[in-house]
Amino acid sequence: EAGVAQSPRYKIIEKRQSVAFWCNPISGHATLYWYQQILGQGPKLLIQFQNNGVVDDSQLPKDRFSAERLKGVDSTLKIQPAKLEDSAVYLCASSTPDRAHEETQYFGPGTRLLVL
Amino acid sequence: GEDVEQSLFLSVREGDSSVINCTYTDSSSTYLYWYKQEPGAGLQLLTYIFSNMDMKQDQRLTVLLNKKDKHLSLRIADTQTGDSAIYFCAERTLNTGKLIFGQGTTLQVKP
Repeated sequence: EAGVAQSPRYKIIEKRQSVAFWCNPISGHATLYWYQQILGQGPKLLIQFQNNGVVDDSQLPKDRFSAERLKGVDSTLKIQPAKLEDSAVYLCASSTPDRAHEETQYFGPGTRLLVL
Repeated sequence: GEDVEQSLFLSVREGDSSVINCTYTDSSSTYLYWYKQEPGAGLQLLTYIFSNMDMKQDQRLTVLLNKKDKHLSLRIADTQTGDSAIYFCAERTLNTGKLIFGQGTTLQVKP
């Protein structure tokens, strides 16, 4: 079974530029998550989708961040314009309920963003 | 509020046991997880425990949960150099269903 795919793996941009990240979840997983992991910290949830609907985007800085999952499969996360403090690893994860109704989250390799 | 705390660093010798500790604040947590992150990689799920369990063993890994003290630990038996990584504890809360991660414990295994 293929894991969660993300691209690009690395991105360097200057502040005030725009950037977009792509995620392809595990096949059949209805729930998709985007996390931000700043160096030295644990991941923090930015947004959670259930199919193509948003479940939780309370921690997403909506003035500059946006995300979509139009067909309920792939997702893109965009930052426009980027700030220095957006330098982080952006992790995508997906999950689906198992027989015990547990939704274990499986993570992709992440996209490392450096804003100069 | 929801908060998860971990010690930042642990150093052990190859072959010894490692114990990584975690405390959490949300008493409504349903599941608690341990993830491993190697340099440049995403998070790999190691194991998880349901909140009504005290212990779970999986090969070299033993998870202990003290729900009264809101304390979780991960014991790695016969630690190997390949176990060197950052280990994250996470709780999944009943209220929101989202994962709250600790800041990670860096495990250094010396040969």
